[in-house]
Amino acid sequence: DQQVKQNSPSLSVQEGRISILNCDYTNSMFDYFLWYKKYPAEGPTFLISISSIKDKNEDGRFTVFLNKSAKHLSLHIVPSQPGDSAVYFCAARSGNTPLVFGKGTRLSVIA
Amino acid sequence: DSGVTQTPKHLITATGQRVTLRCSPRSGDLSVYWYQQSLDQGLQFLIQYYNGEERAKGNILERFSAQQFPDLHSELNLSSLELGDSALYFCASSAGQGNEKLFFGSGTQLSVL
Repeated sequence: DQQVKQNSPSLSVQEGRISILNCDYTNSMFDYFLWYKKYPAEGPTFLISISSIKDKNEDGRFTVFLNKSAKHLSLHIVPSQPGDSAVYFCAARSGNTPLVFGKGTRLSVIA
Repeated sequence: DSGVTQTPKHLITATGQRVTLRCSPRSGDLSVYWYQQSLDQGLQFLIQYYNGEERAKGNILERFSAQQFPDLHSELNLSSLELGDSALYFCASSAGQGNEKLFFGSGTQLSVL
């Protein structure tokens, strides 16, 4: 049973445009959500997070939105750059439980 | 560089064999986590150790075992290997028992032939 779902395996975006990566979850007990970014031959690296008491968190070009009623979060990257091309993982946790990850979305930013 | 070291980077072995994957956490981190990434799968949580003690267990097979040593490094032992065990195995560390931010190593690519 997949508790964190990233339904788009891949996404292509033109450089300078907005990238929107989506994530859905089923466990209503999740209280903290994170996005990780992974380049080939490297481990995932933390990108941005959001607590369930907020609906938006912003860090430079990256913004995460949380819609608790829809059990949905999204990562917006504006403007997209070729260096943003990577696999993005959505993750969530409940209390101090280990992170549960989605399958990832491969973002390609085309110059 | 995350500060988490995993060895070896690549491992090729045959079915039925046993292998050991090694992980050194970031300096000062007490928790070590093991994750498996198979083809078309996300990062599947296997097991967590905190300061030498097992803290949480996920979808870890009985053929797999792990431990965390007094110097806080961890080893993941995989035995009676099957073709389906071929995957990328990641180790991650964090400072506390449930810190939300994990720091990942670059992984060990295991190929079972």
